[in-house]
Amino acid sequence: AQSVTQPDIHITVSEGASLELRCNYSYGATPYLFWYVQSPGQGLQLLLKYFSGDTLVQGIKGFEAEFKRSQSSFNLRKPSVHWSDAAEYFCAVGALAGNKLTFGGGTRVLVKP
Amino acid sequence: DGGITQSPKYLFRKEGQNVTLSCEQNLNHDAMYWYRQDPGQGLRLIYYSQIVNDFQKGDIAEGYSVSREKKESFPLTVTSAQKNPTAFYLCASSTTTNTGELFFGEGSRLTVL
Repeated sequence: AQSVTQPDIHITVSEGASLELRCNYSYGATPYLFWYVQSPGQGLQLLLKYFSGDTLVQGIKGFEAEFKRSQSSFNLRKPSVHWSDAAEYFCAVGALAGNKLTFGGGTRVLVKP
Repeated sequence: DGGITQSPKYLFRKEGQNVTLSCEQNLNHDAMYWYRQDPGQGLRLIYYSQIVNDFQKGDIAEGYSVSREKKESFPLTVTSAQKNPTAFYLCASSTTTNTGELFFGEGSRLTVL
C-alpha cells in the first residue's frame, strides 16, 4: 500500500528566509508525486507535480521540489518565504493508473515578520 | 468560471441524523472524489467515482454513502452509522487521464452536536 510521511507538523520561518518541507513516500512502482497548499478553511491548490524526467520540478509561487528515488523523498523548497506562504502544505503520491491520491498528514507553515 | 462548488460551507447536525453534502462541478471532469480532513491526519479518501452511475469505496467508506446520477454532481451522505462525523469534507474532481491533478472545492465543515 502506498503511504506518505511528512515528519514536520509545524514549521516556523522568518519572512525572507528559505523554507524546506520534507516528504517521504512508500510506493511499489514509479510514483506520481504532488505538493498541494491549503489556506485556512479553503480547498487545496496544486503547487507542483512530478511524473518522470527531470528530478527538479518547478511549481507556482516560486516553489520547487526535488525527487530523490534513493531516499524515497520529494522535498519542497522555496528560497525566500513571503508572509502569504503561511498555509498548510500536503505531499501526495498517486498510482500509475487512475487518480487516487494518498496524502501525508500535512505541515503547517507559520511565517514570522 | 469553471470550478467545484460545495454546499453548505458549515453544517450542524444532531447525533442520529443523516446529512447530505452537495458537490457540483462544471469542469466537465469524469472523476469525482470525497475526502475527509482531520487535524494531523491529512486527507483520507471516502468514495470516488470515475464515471456516471459507478463509484468505489475509498479507505474510510464506512458510515458514508454516495450517488453519481449526473456527471456534474456527486453528493455525499453522512449517515448516523458514522461514529465520528465531525470533520472538514473536501470534494474534488479530475480528468481520467493520468495527470493526477485534483481540483478541490472549498470544503464543508460538519459539526455534530
